[in-house]
Amino acid sequence: DSGVTQTPKHLITATGQRVTLRCSPRSGDLSVYWYQQSLDQGLQFLIQYYNGEERAKGNILERFSAQQFPDLHSELNLSSLELGDSALYFCASSGTGATQTEKLFFGSGTQLSVL
Amino acid sequence: LAKTTQPISMDSYEGQEVNITCSHNNIATNDYITWYQQFPSQGPRFIIQGYKTKVTNEVASLFIPADRKSSTLSLPRVSLSDTAVYYCSYNNNDMRFGAGTRLTVKP
Repeated sequence: DSGVTQTPKHLITATGQRVTLRCSPRSGDLSVYWYQQSLDQGLQFLIQYYNGEERAKGNILERFSAQQFPDLHSELNLSSLELGDSALYFCASSGTGATQTEKLFFGSGTQLSVL
Repeated sequence: LAKTTQPISMDSYEGQEVNITCSHNNIATNDYITWYQQFPSQGPRFIIQGYKTKVTNEVASLFIPADRKSSTLSLPRVSLSDTAVYYCSYNNNDMRFGAGTRLTVKP
């Protein structure tokens, strides 16, 4: 158990809909990262937050947005969903995201299926 | 441009030593190199991290040459349960992962 909690584990929805994925980082971790992994693909970095502020942005679509709340949990919002958005979405956390020895701890992911 | 470069796949047999090499030409002076393991439908998990020369833990060894532009993850005496995707990464503000190496261990 990594200590990172993601909910829900599975999500089935239709095209055009909007969903929210939730992540609770490990206790004490200030940084949260979001990744997308499509079938048999590598991990695509979406976005990183540190202590409530956006720190780095990757290949995140404009239809997607995220935020980190004062209690440090994070939410990834996906809107106007398309079939191609079907994927595993992982959240990871780390202490600060700023030190060179930072290690990421990943949650078990949310499997999103867009029908 | 890819941040790191690794072989797409490797096959091995139980009991053999497996070495997976990763190229990271743009690594900065202060960056550490970290390897992760991912099983199907699970999140990646930390295996080992190093800065230079050799690091060993109970799971693997990591070899980093002096120029630090590559690193090699060594898994001793692999078993079927080591079948997974292995990612190398180096820490900076851009937490991107490469495509990873899919290791298949056969009986």
